[in-house]
Amino acid sequence: AQTVTQSQPEMSVQEAETVTLSCTYDTSESDYYLFWYKQPPSRQMILVIRQEAYKQQNATENRFSVNFQKAAKSFSLKISDSQLGDAAMYFCALLPSNAGGTSYGKLTFGQGTILTVHP
Amino acid sequence: NAGVTQTPKFRILKIGQSMTLQCAQDMNHNYMYWYRQDPGMGLKLIYYSVGAGITDKGEVPNGYNVSRSTTEDFPLRLELAAPSQTSVYFCASVRMIGTQPQHFGDGTRLSIL
Repeated sequence: AQTVTQSQPEMSVQEAETVTLSCTYDTSESDYYLFWYKQPPSRQMILVIRQEAYKQQNATENRFSVNFQKAAKSFSLKISDSQLGDAAMYFCALLPSNAGGTSYGKLTFGQGTILTVHP
Repeated sequence: NAGVTQTPKFRILKIGQSMTLQCAQDMNHNYMYWYRQDPGMGLKLIYYSVGAGITDKGEVPNGYNVSRSTTEDFPLRLELAAPSQTSVYFCASVRMIGTQPQHFGDGTRLSIL
């Protein structure tokens, strides 16, 4: 079984500043994927960034980057140059690889962090 | 492409009523999923399907049923609605698991009064 924990129910940041959202996880799998999803008030689930656990290099997508610490089972999201449009609920999620054909793509989500961006 | 389409977007049910939440995808995806999101919480897996005719329970299946007669459609059935089933329901799909992210529908907000 997998668990994903987001310990920050709410975070806030000033526009143009940088904010980091925390995520820790637990899994017995040796290979897995980690994701950050953004959910704006429209309820859409938007993929922000993805990290393969076998890759040591941290993923980056424009203003979004992660700090992946495999040994510590930590996967934080850094948002640089925050914009008003970044305001949303952010979810961390874990997907075991399908080695052995047993994961079936089942995502495990954290509880979410509400990010507020102040102008 | 429409992607993942969920209907209806909103619904209010009375306790004990039944209804079906519809989910359709036009991407020829093999894997489909139903999640529920309670207020202020993350998504939890209700049921999933790895292909037409094959379904299995997720983390919170009680009170729900699913079927997958075609690759495109994956309806979720509530037989006897209870207040605890008030939630936002998301359907998602993916062609091959692991290498690709799941595509999500826009959700169905369901209130049971």
